[in-house]
Amino acid sequence: DGGITQSPKYLFRKEGQNVTLSCEQNLNHDAMYWYRQDPGQGLRLIYYSQIVNDFQKGDIAEGYSVSREKKESFPLTVTSAQKNPTAFYLCASSIRGANEQFFGPGTRLTVL
Amino acid sequence: DQQVKQNSPSLSVQEGRISILNCDYTNSMFDYFLWYKKYPAEGPTFLISISSIKDKNEDGRFTVFLNKSAKHLSLHIVPSQPGDSAVYFCAAARGVGNDMRFGAGTRLTVKP
Repeated sequence: DGGITQSPKYLFRKEGQNVTLSCEQNLNHDAMYWYRQDPGQGLRLIYYSQIVNDFQKGDIAEGYSVSREKKESFPLTVTSAQKNPTAFYLCASSIRGANEQFFGPGTRLTVL
Repeated sequence: DQQVKQNSPSLSVQEGRISILNCDYTNSMFDYFLWYKKYPAEGPTFLISISSIKDKNEDGRFTVFLNKSAKHLSLHIVPSQPGDSAVYFCAAARGVGNDMRFGAGTRLTVKP
């Protein structure tokens, strides 16, 4: 059963702590993306990766970091430098060169 | 800088009638447009797309219209069904395989 999984669904962290959000896909897609959704706003691109061991900053990369050591995995670390980390985070993947992206179910991060 | 705008945060229609969701964009370099549908606590799912070489694309009850001169696209759902109730996001991209820009979404409610 192919798809994208994000875990956990809900995550709580104390202010000042780094936290890593998991994203795994078994669709054999080359490209993977991280978005952030805030109330009343569209999805904003944090980072994306078109191929293993390569990634680019999106519009709001400050305070975040990623790695792409394996094709199927694209974890996102929300660092303590991110000023407003509480949000809904969505991971997506696509065939390289295609615009249609497949999304995971999302992780809601709350920083207390 | 919101390059893709959905000015109606919500829309309510009666079952069986037409739903029209609107989207405007500012970047004339965008040449590929997509609509995504999102249910609560789930990731968005791809619905329909259109490239700038067309002005209409149809898939069952869903039709997307593109007016390049007005930088406007719309999604028509006919007939609307209660299961169509969701948030609809408009997205735009330059070329194929590049990062996309999303609108803020329109919440559609179809009343039985």
